Amino acid sequence: AQKVTQAQTEISVVEKEDVTLDCVYETRDTTYYLFWYKQPPSGELVFLIRRNSFDEQNEISGRYSWNFQKSTSSFNFTITASQVVDSAVYFCALSEVYNTDKLIFGTGTRLQVFP
Amino acid sequence: DVKVTQSSRYLVKRTGEKVFLECVQDMDHENMFWYRQDPGLGLRLIYFSYDVKMKEKGDIPEGYSVSREKKERFSLILESASTNQTSMYLCASSFGQSKILNEQFFGPGTRLTVL
Repeated sequence: AQKVTQAQTEISVVEKEDVTLDCVYETRDTTYYLFWYKQPPSGELVFLIRRNSFDEQNEISGRYSWNFQKSTSSFNFTITASQVVDSAVYFCALSEVYNTDKLIFGTGTRLQVFP
Repeated sequence: DVKVTQSSRYLVKRTGEKVFLECVQDMDHENMFWYRQDPGLGLRLIYFSYDVKMKEKGDIPEGYSVSREKKERFSLILESASTNQTSMYLCASSFGQSKILNEQFFGPGTRLTVL
């Protein structure tokens, strides 16, 4: 059965520190999609990235980067030089190709960035 | 910009009341979803809909029903609210193209308290 595990419940860092949020997934399929969403204090989830299982290239977008490793079933998210505005709950999610409209979410990691 | 709106940010109801949560999206999305979010449990899918008048159960449909009479509107109904339905409810929508996965866009959430 598909499952997403975010073992880190809460992380606290000081501004400008780098921080990595872990995501481990389980799926029987060889084709699937992985996502990261950000939920700021306002409550609305914001889409950050989608990656399909055939694309293992790491992705960088400004201070954000993602490391996808099929060998360890992980899709980790790193924020470089964190800022107070990065404080939010971050969710990792999985969707299988034959069930593409449904997302399986992890339990989320709350990141607090202190000035 | 895609906009998903929910009828209330905060709602307080009494046990046994019938509760309607409304969600409207303005991007002509085929798919709409209702989740509940609870601490430590992440987001769990209640119901989703691929098209007008179509609905499918998610992972936790018990105690809930839905209605989709128009493409832009997806309602979640608690027939007889109970205290264990106190939660944050999130609505989402996405394009529904076969075999092509598109990210879900979320509303701001409704925090429901059942007394």
